[in-house]
Amino acid sequence: DQQVKQNSPSLSVQEGRISILNCDYTNSMFDYFLWYKKYPAEGPTFLISISSIKDKNEDGRFTVFLNKSAKHLSLHIVPSQPGDSAVYFCAASLVQGAQKLVFGQGTRLTINP
Amino acid sequence: DTEVTQTPKHLVMGMTNKKSLKCEQHMGHRAMYWYKQKAKKPPELMFVYSYEKLSINESVPSRFSPECPNSSLLNLHLHALQPEDSALYLCASSQERGAATEAFFGQGTRLTVV
Repeated sequence: DQQVKQNSPSLSVQEGRISILNCDYTNSMFDYFLWYKKYPAEGPTFLISISSIKDKNEDGRFTVFLNKSAKHLSLHIVPSQPGDSAVYFCAASLVQGAQKLVFGQGTRLTINP
Repeated sequence: DTEVTQTPKHLVMGMTNKKSLKCEQHMGHRAMYWYKQKAKKPPELMFVYSYEKLSINESVPSRFSPECPNSSLLNLHLHALQPEDSALYLCASSQERGAATEAFFGQGTRLTVV
């Protein structure tokens, strides 16, 4: 029962272009969504988040869009830079006494020069 | 400062050993977490502590024993582990305000059980 899905295991984008990473979820109780970036053998690094009451949040080159009716969110990175090459995890939050983060399977983003 | 520090970075232990993983944060966060990540898989929640009390145990085997001695420290005691327990163990912390918020992760401990 995978509640958070990232259907693209990998994505390759040219430097300077836009990278779009997608995430779908099934549980309508999720009320907060986060994107993390991860390098091998390191912990996830928080990038950006969005509350379920919003449909867009922007921070520099990163923008997250949320479509609640479709249970879909996306992360846009523009312009893409070589240092953006990493695995990106979408996570959804559920607060049941304490917060639980449920992660998607991750998308490996490669930025080509 | 959004740093969560985990020690050791790498650990190799035998199936009869007892070892502990340590996690420390000084951000004043009152929620702390242990996650486990196997290769090419997403992190999976193991335990959540809120105000030094265990709030969530995701049906983790008793060979993993968490401890929260104070608001800045989180330990994971390991005993009689199996080779399939080899994984990256991640600690995280967040503010505790009864609502969703960002969680910040440490670098992880790469555990190998032989």
